[in-house]
Amino acid sequence: DQQVKQNSPSLSVQEGRISILNCDYTNSMFDYFLWYKKYPAEGPTFLISISSIKDKNEDGRFTVFLNKSAKHLSLHIVPSQPGDSAVYFCAASYSSKLTFGTGTRLQVTL
Amino acid sequence: DVKVTQSSRYLVKRTGEKVFLECVQDMDHENMFWYRQDPGLGLRLIYFSYDVKMKEKGDIPEGYSVSREKKERFSLILESASTNQTSMYLCASSWGRQPQHFGDGTRLSIL
Repeated sequence: DQQVKQNSPSLSVQEGRISILNCDYTNSMFDYFLWYKKYPAEGPTFLISISSIKDKNEDGRFTVFLNKSAKHLSLHIVPSQPGDSAVYFCAASYSSKLTFGTGTRLQVTL
Repeated sequence: DVKVTQSSRYLVKRTGEKVFLECVQDMDHENMFWYRQDPGLGLRLIYFSYDVKMKEKGDIPEGYSVSREKKERFSLILESASTNQTSMYLCASSWGRQPQHFGDGTRLSIL
């Protein structure tokens, strides 16, 4: 049973435009959500997080939105840069343990 | 900066062998985790540990065991390796509910 879902395996965006990556979850116990970025041959690196008491968190070019009623979160990258090309994983938790989605491969083209 | 070090980047073993994957973190984190990453399946939790000598099963513990004798070290053991355990293995550590920090992974091939 996939509790965290990323329904788009891949996404291609032009440099300078907005990238929107989506994530849905089913477990209403989740109260903390994170996005990780992963380059090939490297471990995932933490990008941004949001607590369930908020609906938006911003860090530079990265913004995460949380819609609790829809059990949906999204990551916006504005403007997208070629170095953003990577696999992005969303993750959710209600303890120290994380449940990850299957990932979305983002390609930012010139 | 947090450093999570996995002992091998690439490993090739034979079916039936006992395989040890080692992970060391340098930030005195209480929590340590082992995941495997497979195409289309994301990261799946194998085992985790909240303290020395403590371990908890994750989502896919079958065929694996772990050892945590010291706070900084968390070992994953494949008791009798099988070809379906060919995968990328990732170790992570964290403090409380802070974001987990990952090592660079071990790509394990079982022949």
